[in-house]
Amino acid sequence: DGGITQSPKYLFRKEGQNVTLSCEQNLNHDAMYWYRQDPGQGLRLIYYSQIVNDFQKGDIAEGYSVSREKKESFPLTVTSAQKNPTAFYLCASSNSARRDTQYFGPGTRLTVL
Amino acid sequence: GQQVMQIPQYQHVQEGEDFTTYCNSSTTLSNIQWYKQRPGGHPVFLIQLVKSGEVKKQKRLTFQFGEAKKNSSLHITATQTTDVGTYFCAPREEYGNKLVFGAGTILRVKS
Repeated sequence: DGGITQSPKYLFRKEGQNVTLSCEQNLNHDAMYWYRQDPGQGLRLIYYSQIVNDFQKGDIAEGYSVSREKKESFPLTVTSAQKNPTAFYLCASSNSARRDTQYFGPGTRLTVL
Repeated sequence: GQQVMQIPQYQHVQEGEDFTTYCNSSTTLSNIQWYKQRPGGHPVFLIQLVKSGEVKKQKRLTFQFGEAKKNSSLHITATQTTDVGTYFCAPREEYGNKLVFGAGTILRVKS
């Protein structure tokens, strides 16, 4: 929403394959986040980045990896080590990590067959 | 670590009835944000509360922050079908730098 794009909207992969989800923002925000949402559940933080070239693990980082080489981009790789990767993945950004509201992208629904 | 409980998990109301969701934290909070997610959509920011005992209103929505800064509530007066969705609280610990989202309350409105 408001300058955050995620692609694709739907993604299907075979078990055992790594897959990278894209997240781009043009809001000039410093902080970016990846969340996972399972049906009927809340948002669980996977990774977050407060500044370029820096990121921290969230609550469920195992089986995922990220990079933050550019301010506007924060791709998430779902590796084959992630035991249950089928979920709705949401990317968000905020001006800073300390106080500001988060703006979410439209999400990517990943299905692993 | 911080524990966040949001209740109820689910509420089904008749159009025109009121609705309230509650958010409780195990630790003192710096601030708390509320988000709404429509079915099939993504969370959208509603409001942020910072001060102890703060009350903010947005039309039919009233948000409160507890005096001890450990709990918050969202109250909707006279619900409409457009209020349907999941409401999440997202508290931030006093010295924390990340939000922790509650599990959300799913609101369904019968017309």
